[in-house]
Amino acid sequence: NAGVTQTPKFQVLKTGQSMTLQCAQDMNHEYMSWYRQDPGMGLRLIHYSVGAGITDQGEVPNGYNVSRSTTEDFPLRLLSAAPSQTSVYFCASSYTDRGLTYEQYFGPGTRLTVT
Amino acid sequence: AQSVAQPEDQVNVAEGNPLTVKCTYSVSGNPYLFWYVQYPNRGLQFLLKYITGDNLVKGSYGFEAEFNKSQTSFHLKKPSALVSDSALYFCAVRGETGANNLFFGTGTRLTVIP
Repeated sequence: NAGVTQTPKFQVLKTGQSMTLQCAQDMNHEYMSWYRQDPGMGLRLIHYSVGAGITDQGEVPNGYNVSRSTTEDFPLRLLSAAPSQTSVYFCASSYTDRGLTYEQYFGPGTRLTVT
Repeated sequence: AQSVAQPEDQVNVAEGNPLTVKCTYSVSGNPYLFWYVQYPNRGLQFLLKYITGDNLVKGSYGFEAEFNKSQTSFHLKKPSALVSDSALYFCAVRGETGANNLFFGTGTRLTVIP
């Protein structure tokens, strides 16, 4: 199993540009999520999904969109990049048991810089 | 609302000495607690979890964690630190409602000194 994969590893954008961060998992996990990691702030949840066709907002959703058309893929779209979105982005997935999630498995991250 | 606190930004310990990384939590109901480790330029790796049962939980790489309900703590421990344990450690608690998302602390940087 490849686990959770993310592309690209690095990206530089100019303010106002849009892009999509890709995330895929091959563990047949129902739950998937996107976090951003900023120094001194830990990980903050952007969006999450509990299954194909179901997404919801996390703690810091503004400026980001997600969709979940398959169990495997959970792309994160930046609509109009801003310098405040400079961060490291992590995708994660988890198995669920009777609707409850457990430990999450993380991808290697995407380091995004917005100039 | 649920939250996690890691009171130490940095912990230094000599190689071979025992290490402790502290975590306290706040959540209603039964807590579900996790520890993760992050090595430089890598994603987070799951170390261990407490769901129910014994208060001492054993995990990967020789780590263990002690759950203390009365003190609402879940400290990470290892009897003998290795230089390779140097990394960033995160404690997390599962949320109370909805999809039970994880809420993370701000992290503790552990440095093991040779």
